[in-house]
Amino acid sequence: DAKTTQPPSMDCAEGRAANLPCNHSTISGNEYVYWYRQIHSQGPQYIIHGLKNNETNEMASLIITEDRKSSTLILPHATLRDTAVYYCIVRNAGNMLTFGGGTRLMVKP
Amino acid sequence: GAVVSQHPSRVICKSGTSVKIECRSLDFQATTMFWYRQFPKQSLMLMATSNEGSKATYEQGVEKDKFLINHASLTLSTLTVTSAHPEDSSFYICSASLRGTGSSGNTIYFGEGSWLTVV
Repeated sequence: DAKTTQPPSMDCAEGRAANLPCNHSTISGNEYVYWYRQIHSQGPQYIIHGLKNNETNEMASLIITEDRKSSTLILPHATLRDTAVYYCIVRNAGNMLTFGGGTRLMVKP
Repeated sequence: GAVVSQHPSRVICKSGTSVKIECRSLDFQATTMFWYRQFPKQSLMLMATSNEGSKATYEQGVEKDKFLINHASLTLSTLTVTSAHPEDSSFYICSASLRGTGSSGNTIYFGEGSWLTVV
């Protein structure tokens, strides 16, 4: 499985954009990049996924570099409720998701 | 969106007893479900992959006789922790993917998780 590298923690001011980076330099051509977040004591929540094009939904935007070796999750207007651990995952063909350490995002007033 | 539900959300059991956790896909059929375990301040660790109608595939280091998984239908998988001990206390989470999806572009949804405390 392609592994991902994320900063362990980040802070963001409420109302500002939160940009969470992820490196996945060993990703293969048919592997998707998935983002989930986990708020304390809850199951992971799906945010967004993509293959090579940038993606946007009601929660976030996903920017994937042209070489696909890294990506950035963007929360355009972070709120206090966005405080969570964010996981960037490269999904293999076996359907399972392998979780790394994630980034603990703290949104501050 | 698709919903995966787990029950119970919290359970306390005595050491030596068994406890069953259910994972249901509420509005879709899931041929494959996954069971994870998460200890405090750690990431999720995959325990096993549960396929409908066949035996589960366990990750290395996970005792299949201790963590019994049954995936009897396309909407239900169960995890039974047998002869539970205090070190089995953890947050157990299931996930499910849509039936018939072989590509990695289809979303996997997670349940709310189940807190197990063995006393």
